[in-house]
Formats: sequence, C-alpha cells, structure tokens
Amino acid sequence: DTGVSQDPRHKITKRGQNVTFRCDPISEHNRLYWYRQTLGQGPEFLTYFQNEAQLEKSRLLSDRFSAERPKGSFSTLEIQRTEQGDSAMYLCASSRRSFGEGSRLTVL
Amino acid sequence: AQKITQTQPGMFVQEKEAVTLDCTYDTSDQSYGLFWYKQPSSGEMIFLIYQGSYDEQNATEGRYSLNFQKARKSANLVISASQLGDSAMYFCAIAGGTSYGKLTFGQGTILTVHP
Repeated sequence: DTGVSQDPRHKITKRGQNVTFRCDPISEHNRLYWYRQTLGQGPEFLTYFQNEAQLEKSRLLSDRFSAERPKGSFSTLEIQRTEQGDSAMYLCASSRRSFGEGSRLTVL
Repeated sequence: AQKITQTQPGMFVQEKEAVTLDCTYDTSDQSYGLFWYKQPSSGEMIFLIYQGSYDEQNATEGRYSLNFQKARKSANLVISASQLGDSAMYFCAIAGGTSYGKLTFGQGTILTVHP
C-alpha cells in the first residue's frame, strides 16, 4: 500500500497561467475525491469520481476548473487562467480514510 | 445538507494530560458517519477515528476516543495522555448516507501541546 500520492507538492504560478495537478490513488480504490483548502479553513469538496465517471461537481468548481480520471486510475485537476483566489491546498482522497499530502498552489 | 461546527479556534494542553476537542453537527440524513482528522503543518490529512450514526458504543482508537451524543448532535474528540507530536490542526467531518462518501468539514481547532 503506497498511499495516495499527489504531484507537484508545491506550485507557484503567475496569474493567468494554467496549472495541472495529478493524483494517484490507492490502486484498489475506485472512488476519488478532490477538495480545496484555503488558509485557516477546512477542506471543501470539489468533485467526485467513481472509476472514470465524474458523478458530482461542487458549485465551487467554476468553468476554469476541469477534472478527469481516464481509465479510472490517476486523476488530474486543471485550473485555467489562474486567479489569486485560486491560491489554496488541493487535496485528493481515494477513501474517507486515505488522503494525499496535497498540492499547494500559490498564484502571484 | 450537512454542517459541522467547531467552536474552539485554538486549544492548549500540558503534555501527558487529556484534552477534549468539540464538534457539533447538523444533518438531515438518518444514516451518517462522523470523522476526525489530524493535519500537521506538512498538510497531509491523517484519519484518526470514525463513528457511525447507528453505532451504540463510542469509538476508540488507541489514545483517541469519540464522545458521541446523538441527541445533542455532538461528536467530541478526546485525546488522552497528550504528546508533543499531537500539536496540529484537528478537523471534524461528516459524510451523509446519500453523499457518495464526500465529506463536509468544520473549520478546525489548532491544538498546541506544551512540555
């Protein structure tokens, strides 16, 4: 069991650039969740996959955000035209007990 | 819809003493689960303990126990024999029976353990 891994752990970008985060879940888990956590707050749900199907999306996920999980394995979260308000920790989980270490985004 | 309220922004405890972190919840689901997580400064969300809404006994995991009072809608975390390594942010969360397992988190409590 290698756990949930996320890449990159830290990303600094300029406003307007696109960024992509990757999540590799625990291999036998077919669920995958993305959460966003801003400083001093609890994580907020963004989206959920069951295998390759994206079954739920939060209203927080604006049209600049897109998530995919091809073949039901790893997942990517892309943010287009980043804004300073996108600065946050993006957490991936493959169960309610298995979270990754997160990808911290800073938009300058 | 689910809601978690953690009213203690910060808590302090002496090493080796016990501490209680408060959590109240609101849900319209009959079946739900309550979770506690520890988040050190590194950022990883570490699962600590789980309580199901139909569990008759309070959950325990090592030094962690959950004081579950269903009628009062509270699920307080008790950490016994605090250690310096327990210093971290602690989050309470709920997952409803119809929510595909997605979690709704509270705002967290920062715990500082003093030597």
